[in-house]
Amino acid sequence: DGGITQSPKYLFRKEGQNVTLSCEQNLNHDAMYWYRQDPGQGLRLIYYSQIVNDFQKGDIAEGYSVSREKKESFPLTVTSAQKNPTAFYLCASSIGSSGGDEQFFGPGTRLTVL
Amino acid sequence: GENVEQHPSTLSVQEGDSAVIKCTYSDSASNYFPWYKQELGKRPQLIIDIRSNVGEKKDQRIAVTLNKTAKHFSLHITETQPEDSAVYFCAATTNGDSNYQLIWGAGTKLIIKP
Repeated sequence: DGGITQSPKYLFRKEGQNVTLSCEQNLNHDAMYWYRQDPGQGLRLIYYSQIVNDFQKGDIAEGYSVSREKKESFPLTVTSAQKNPTAFYLCASSIGSSGGDEQFFGPGTRLTVL
Repeated sequence: GENVEQHPSTLSVQEGDSAVIKCTYSDSASNYFPWYKQELGKRPQLIIDIRSNVGEKKDQRIAVTLNKTAKHFSLHITETQPEDSAVYFCAATTNGDSNYQLIWGAGTKLIIKP
């Protein structure tokens, strides 16, 4: 299952703290994505990036921030402005960004707010 | 924008029987429809996809059908086995859209009874 990795696997945050989730890929993919997964719901897109130094908001970007300084890295910061951050976070990448490309997922990070 | 509805939310079938999961979409311009499987505690993985220029695609025990007129597509699993137990997600996207993103269904939990 190599290719795209996420760390940490589990993360605990106190209210009011910012935390950063790591996502790295060695697939030479142009596009990367962050999703949030809650029980009984599908994957909801937080942010995506089609190319280095560029990214776009998804459906639920409020309270999150990202950067894409390197092709292989797309870290997600969950800020204190995110009111309900406890969830499972999945990072994905695809070879292109025009649609119709398989998305490869990382193993996920489970974030819990204490 | 695109909206994808998936039914049923839970499906329980006897081992060896067939399972069918259905999704409907709203955007008639959507032209790529993947299906992902997520086993418990693991990452989603693409199992089959279909593009709007074909009506059916098969890969061993799984098949996907697409009805563009009715705007729905379905996943068919024949001769179900215990390892088919998982959550299945459908998705839809418009290929080539500069604001492309996959819109996901809410998922179907498939339970294979021994």
